Amino acid sequence: DLQMTQSPSSLSASVGDRVTITCRASQDISNSLAWYQQKPGKVPKLLIYAASTLQSGVPSRFSGSGSGTDFTLTISSLQPEDVASYYCQKYNSAPITFGQGTRLEIK
Amino acid sequence: EVHLLESGGGLVRSGGSLRLSCAASGFTFTAYAISWVRQAPGKGLEWVSAISGGGESPYYADSVKGRFTISRDNSKNTVYLQMNILRAEDTAIYYCAKDAAQWLVRFYFDYWGQGTLVTVSS
Repeated sequence: DLQMTQSPSSLSASVGDRVTITCRASQDISNSLAWYQQKPGKVPKLLIYAASTLQSGVPSRFSGSGSGTDFTLTISSLQPEDVASYYCQKYNSAPITFGQGTRLEIK
Repeated sequence: EVHLLESGGGLVRSGGSLRLSCAASGFTFTAYAISWVRQAPGKGLEWVSAISGGGESPYYADSVKGRFTISRDNSKNTVYLQMNILRAEDTAIYYCAKDAAQWLVRFYFDYWGQGTLVTVSS
């Protein structure tokens, strides 16, 4: 089965920092990649789909890039409200696979 | 406003069964696939199952194939997940999630319910 590998598993950064999370697919998934944010105690929220398309209402400091097997989620200027776990998800075909998640904290 | 409400979770013994429900409102229900995604305590997200808008196409994760059955009643705007032969590793919060694409099954999700907790005791 196709695997999604996220890195790092956790990171700590300062407010205003540029933060990058990567996701690697074990096979080519074209641009069928979504990113979700899950704040503590809350349900997941769709941030980006089609690897780089920002979901409506999501702040522009979030961006996504990549295609094929390597993808990146970038937060251009980290804000306190961005403390959350972030998950990538491939959706080109079933079965659907999520990455293991990245826990983001404020330093 | 889109709203998804799960119900049916609870405590069950290993080998037992439960049926989860996901009641939807605020959108054209038949136009959208619905998935179930679960999250074990303190762990990440795991997709479980999906069903197309018309109900003709079910999809399952390997971990639940043969044990879980997804269905939908479009007259009631409700999706069900029948879970049989439950195992301790099925313990999780179960979320239903609406597919973001209309009339297609795209398997990424723009709305999620609040979840229902399933606990399987061994």
